[in-house]
Amino acid sequence: TQLLEQSPQFLSIQEGENLTVYCNSSSVFSSLQWYRQEPGEGPVLLVTVVTGGEVKKLKRLTFQFGDARKDSSLHITAAQTGDTGLYLCAGGNAGTASKLTFGTGTRLQVTL
Amino acid sequence: DTEVTQTPKHLVMGMTNKKSLKCEQHMGHRAMYWYKQKAKKPPELMFVYSYEKLSINESVPSRFSPECPNSSLLNLHLHALQPEDSALYLCASSQALGGYEKLFFGSGTQLSVL
Repeated sequence: TQLLEQSPQFLSIQEGENLTVYCNSSSVFSSLQWYRQEPGEGPVLLVTVVTGGEVKKLKRLTFQFGDARKDSSLHITAAQTGDTGLYLCAGGNAGTASKLTFGTGTRLQVTL
Repeated sequence: DTEVTQTPKHLVMGMTNKKSLKCEQHMGHRAMYWYKQKAKKPPELMFVYSYEKLSINESVPSRFSPECPNSSLLNLHLHALQPEDSALYLCASSQALGGYEKLFFGSGTQLSVL
């Protein structure tokens, strides 16, 4: 069974601060996705990374896939209250009938 | 249209009731999923349909019965549920099955079993 552990589990920061969320596994994944879920809603895909060492930027969010494709990080610069939510990483493998493995989740709360 | 629509948004049912959850997408996606999510936990996969055929059943109890009437619709029939089945039930779709596929989620049905 492939597991994805996220850290920290919960993070409470003030607007304007920077933060990093980590997603780690002992298994190799072909792709790594990051989702954000707001209360009462379904997760929304933020990014997909597929190459070891890949870095993708989405405005104030920077995503990195580890060289060995076993880990990933999400860095948020100058957090805003709208960034509040549950952040989920999800690992996938190539091939049909493959299913995503979701990480344990990081709950982020950004206050004024 | 990039939406996955789920109905109802909220559902309260007794342990002897029979109810159904509905999910619809018009993106031409050929894979559809049911996930169960407990509070403050990640989604747990229940079922996957690919081209209207059941591809994955994650050993879900038979009181949950999925149905895929056509490529746009996915139902989850509920019967004789237990209080511990109370959760947010999420439907998702993707173009096809595969580890690179992006999932599009609906807003979910918040289910309470009394």
